[in-house]
Amino acid sequence: NAGVTQTPKFQVLKTGQSMTLQCAQDMNHEYMSWYRQDPGMGLRLIHYSVGAGITDQGEVPNGYNVSRSTTEDFPLRLLSAAPSQTSVYFCASGGSGSGNTIYFGEGSWLTVV
Amino acid sequence: DAKTTQPPSMDCAEGRAANLPCNHSTISGNEYVYWYRQIHSQGPQYIIHGLKNNETNEMASLIITEDRKSSTLILPHATLRDTAVYYCIVYTGNQFYFGTGTSLTVIP
Repeated sequence: NAGVTQTPKFQVLKTGQSMTLQCAQDMNHEYMSWYRQDPGMGLRLIHYSVGAGITDQGEVPNGYNVSRSTTEDFPLRLLSAAPSQTSVYFCASGGSGSGNTIYFGEGSWLTVV
Repeated sequence: DAKTTQPPSMDCAEGRAANLPCNHSTISGNEYVYWYRQIHSQGPQYIIHGLKNNETNEMASLIITEDRKSSTLILPHATLRDTAVYYCIVYTGNQFYFGTGTSLTVIP
C-alpha cells in the first residue's frame, strides 16, 4: 500500500460529534476515493475525486462531506457522527480512468458511541 | 446493484492451484475486471486486471471468457500467506464496485 497515508488509525466519537479523516498520497494521482467497510462485508464507495476541485458521490454518501483542494489530500468529514457510521474507512488513490490501478491505505477504525 | 457474484468461501491445498470464479454478466464493453485481496482487515491489495485478453503477472493469472460474462483468478501455487478475502471488481470508469468476495483458506 505504497504512498497512501490515512490518519488517525483509530478514533472513538460520541454521537453528534464531527471529525475529519485525513488521506494523503505522494504519487501525484488524479483519482482519490473513500470507502467504508462494515463487518463481514465488502467495501462501499462513499465519495471520489478525479482531480483537484472535482468530487462526486459514490454508493453511500449520506452523512459525509469531501473536498479536494490539492492533488495530494482528500479529507473525509463526518458532519454529525451516528452509531451507524461505526466502520473501517479506507482511502485509495490511482490514475484516473479505466485500466488504471488504485492503491489503498491501511484504514481508519472509527467507533461512534 | 451487485455487479459481480462470487462464491462466499473456498479451500485450497497448499502448493496446489487456487481457481477463484467470478460472474459479471452485466459488464459493459469498456469495463475492466480487477481483482484485489484483503488479508485480515488490512487495506485491499491489487492483484491483476484485464479487459478482454487473459493476463498474467508475478502474482496470478486472469482468465476472462470470450463473452466477458465471467472470469477466473488463478493463483498457481497457493501458499498459506494467500489466505485472504478475494474481491472481483468491475471498474466503471471512476467507481470500483466491490462485491462480497470469496474467503480463500489455504490448507497445509
